[in-house]
Parts: sequence; C-alpha cells; structure tokens
Amino acid sequence: SYELTQPPSVSVSPGQTARITCSGDALPKQYAYWYQQKPGQAPVLVIYKDSERPSGIPERFSGSSSGTTVTLTISGVQAEDEADYYCQSADSSGTSVVFGGGTKLTVL
Amino acid sequence: QLQLQESGPGLVKPSETLSLTCTVSGGSISSSSYYWGWIRQPPGKGLEWIGSIYYSGSTYYNPSLKSRVTISVDTSKNQFSLKLSSVTAADTAVYYCARHVGVPSEYYMDVWGKGTTVTVSS
Repeated sequence: SYELTQPPSVSVSPGQTARITCSGDALPKQYAYWYQQKPGQAPVLVIYKDSERPSGIPERFSGSSSGTTVTLTISGVQAEDEADYYCQSADSSGTSVVFGGGTKLTVL
Repeated sequence: QLQLQESGPGLVKPSETLSLTCTVSGGSISSSSYYWGWIRQPPGKGLEWIGSIYYSGSTYYNPSLKSRVTISVDTSKNQFSLKLSSVTAADTAVYYCARHVGVPSEYYMDVWGKGTTVTVSS
C-alpha cells in the first residue's frame, strides 16, 4: 500500500524556522495537504494544494513541493506552534486518501 | 458556520458492529462541492482515513478497511453514518467526521468534528 513518510520529530527554538518533510512516490502527481493537531483537539488544515494557505492561518506557515518530497515550513516558530503535523495526499489510483505518520514539533 | 458533530456508542463489544452518525449543521450536506467522510486515530497513533460519501450516495473506502466499512447518507436529516463490522480492539480510536473539499483524487478536509472515542472491549 502507498505510504507517506515523515520524520517522527522536529525540534526548534522560538523564532527559528522549522521544516517538516513528507516523502511519497506519487507526490509529483498528487497534491499534498498539511494538518496541525494539538493534544485533545481535531486536526486543523494549515496548507492545501501543496502551498496554499487557508484563511485564518498565519503567514508564517508555508508549503512547497519538489519531486517526491513536500515540505511544510514554519518561519519564526512560536510556542503555540508546538503540535503534531500530518501530511495528506492521494494514492496513485486517486481514490484513496493517505496520511503520513505525523511529525511532533517541539518548541524548545 | 458549518459544524459537524459525531454521535454513537462509546463502547462496542468485539465482533459486533460499530455505528456512528455525523450531523451537519450550518450548511447542506447536499452541496455539489463536497464529499463527507470519516477519519480515525487510535490512542497515541496517527490519522487513518476510513472513507467518504457524496450526497448522491457514491462512496470511496480505504482498501484496508473496505470489506468491513459501510458509509451512508441521509440528506433529509443532513447526516451521514459509518458502520464498521467485526470490530476488534485494534478498532479502538477517536473517530472524526470531516467535510472533504474537491474530488477524490485531490480532496482534503477543511472542517472537522470534535471527534468521538470508541472503545472495543467486552
């Protein structure tokens, strides 16, 4: 089955830039999406279609794509950004949704 | 403002069928722009997509769960439902319903319910 691979954890100090990657063979052909999930809460969409930001999401959140890897970048990380982040895409058939395993962002 | 609310039993016995309903308020489930679906998250683990449904009844399922899953829609009640049969402890999770934007090859979830915890235990 199709998989999206994320690093289990990323740590940054406040004010620095955090980059979270997501790799998958179908990513050159499929859009990627990113969700932020804080403990005990439902996920929140922070990036859609590789690099678009929903209304209400701070400008410090951005997304990019290069080949089989997509990246979520959080510039000027704040303490409130500490959360789990999940990438999401579709499998090569385009009929099934796949999530990455999630990355825990720790703000030191 | 669109809201989704999951409801159903919090405890299900092994081998039985898990049944949940998602009630949509603040918008119509019959909108042509959206699918509606279910995602689950076992304790301490990541997200797993279960499946989705269009208001017309067209469904898409996670291949790994397809043999046990049925998603249905009731447009008159603005609700959609999940049934998962032959459950085991591995089906213990928080179950979310969510609005899916776009078409199946590129849809994403922009509005989520708060989630409901389902435990499988005798």
